[in-house]
Amino acid sequence: GAVVSQHPSRVICKSGTSVKIECRSLDFQATTMFWYRQFPKQSLMLMATSNEGSKATYEQGVEKDKFLINHASLTLSTLTVTSAHPEDSSFYICSARRTGSSYNEQFFGPGTRLTVL
Amino acid sequence: AQSVTQLGSHVSVSEGALVLLRCNYSSSVPPYLFWYVQYPNQGLQLLLKYTSAATLVKGINGFEAEFKKSETSFHLTKPSAHMSDAAEYFCAVSFNFGNEKLTFGTGTRLTIIP
Repeated sequence: GAVVSQHPSRVICKSGTSVKIECRSLDFQATTMFWYRQFPKQSLMLMATSNEGSKATYEQGVEKDKFLINHASLTLSTLTVTSAHPEDSSFYICSARRTGSSYNEQFFGPGTRLTVL
Repeated sequence: AQSVTQLGSHVSVSEGALVLLRCNYSSSVPPYLFWYVQYPNQGLQLLLKYTSAATLVKGINGFEAEFKKSETSFHLTKPSAHMSDAAEYFCAVSFNFGNEKLTFGTGTRLTIIP
């Protein structure tokens, strides 16, 4: 159990376009999901915390108008990179916290590789 | 603020040798501690977690870690390295109820020498 999927796994887009990445918890409900960004050979940087039915909480320095997060159900959160530019190219990873979990364990998706040309 | 430090960005061990990956945390309250493994171009997989129960925690793939409060450490070990253990390993910490953020260390890349 506790499987998280992401779609797409890879996406290449032109500069100025928007890209949507989906994160789904397949076999559990997740009130809270998290979006991370990972640069090559570096650690994960938390971008935002997504709570079902409410606005996401963004980390300092993350542009909320550029990285739109929607958590419309207990199994789905989406990250939309608006007006993408080459510097937005990165590996984006989501995670989900099982509803009712008492020690903050997060289950991670396989990641989405975004390349902006 | 919570933090975790991983000593050694790269560790190389021979196949069959002991694996030791170091992690130290900073906290004024009891932490929850996690070790994750990441294979190239993949997400993170949980190896093991410490949640204030037994201080010696056993995880998947033969890994284990010991929580030492006096040393504020949570080092990851495996008695005998296998080629398939080559990956990036991340230590992470979380604190108390209501604070759901995981703070990750900078990672340690483990290389296995045949």
